[in-house]
Amino acid sequence: GENVEQHPSTLSVQEGDSAVIKCTYSDSASNYFPWYKQELGKRPQLIIDIRSNVGEKKDQRIAVTLNKTAKHFSLHITETQPEDSAVYFCAARISSNTGKLIFGQGTTLQVKP
Amino acid sequence: NAGVTQTPKFRILKIGQSMTLQCAQDMNHNYMYWYRQDPGMGLKLIYYSVGAGITDKGEVPNGYNVSRSTTEDFPLRLELAAPSQTSVYFCASSPSPFPRINEKLFFGSGTQLSVL
Repeated sequence: GENVEQHPSTLSVQEGDSAVIKCTYSDSASNYFPWYKQELGKRPQLIIDIRSNVGEKKDQRIAVTLNKTAKHFSLHITETQPEDSAVYFCAARISSNTGKLIFGQGTTLQVKP
Repeated sequence: NAGVTQTPKFRILKIGQSMTLQCAQDMNHNYMYWYRQDPGMGLKLIYYSVGAGITDKGEVPNGYNVSRSTTEDFPLRLELAAPSQTSVYFCASSPSPFPRINEKLFFGSGTQLSVL
């Protein structure tokens, strides 16, 4: 079935460094790839997304890249800050008709001051 | 707009009990979803609905049932609760993907369920 693999499961960086989280997906028909941030005890919040007709998208300190051939996409956070500490989830939409999202397992990012 | 409202926020069930998790949205979204999140894990899709009267299974539907009699409400029913159903449950909604104006998923605040 459809699957999204996310790595690493935990990531610790120093404040100001960059962080990269990678995901691979199995269904080549997937066409939409959002990233969600979840702070402890809170609901997931969308931080950035990309569609399959775009290779890269940037929003201030965060960017997402997509390689359709290899079926993987990555989240890049530059100049990390302590408030970036959270769990990050990637997801892939496998069907435009239903909007179903399959999520990765999550990455716990810790930014040390 | 209140967005997506889930009730209750916390619940403890005994093995074999039943309950309904309520979910309502006031954004006139056609698409609604139920996810569960186990500790240290991602979100797994339980059931989803693309409109009133239409529901379908997700990745982990066993032990659950849903109904969608109105656009606003999408309750999740647990029959014969089991310890394996201990989890945090999130309801979410989104506008129709067509046209591609806004595909963002709006999440409720979650229900922490423990089955003992």
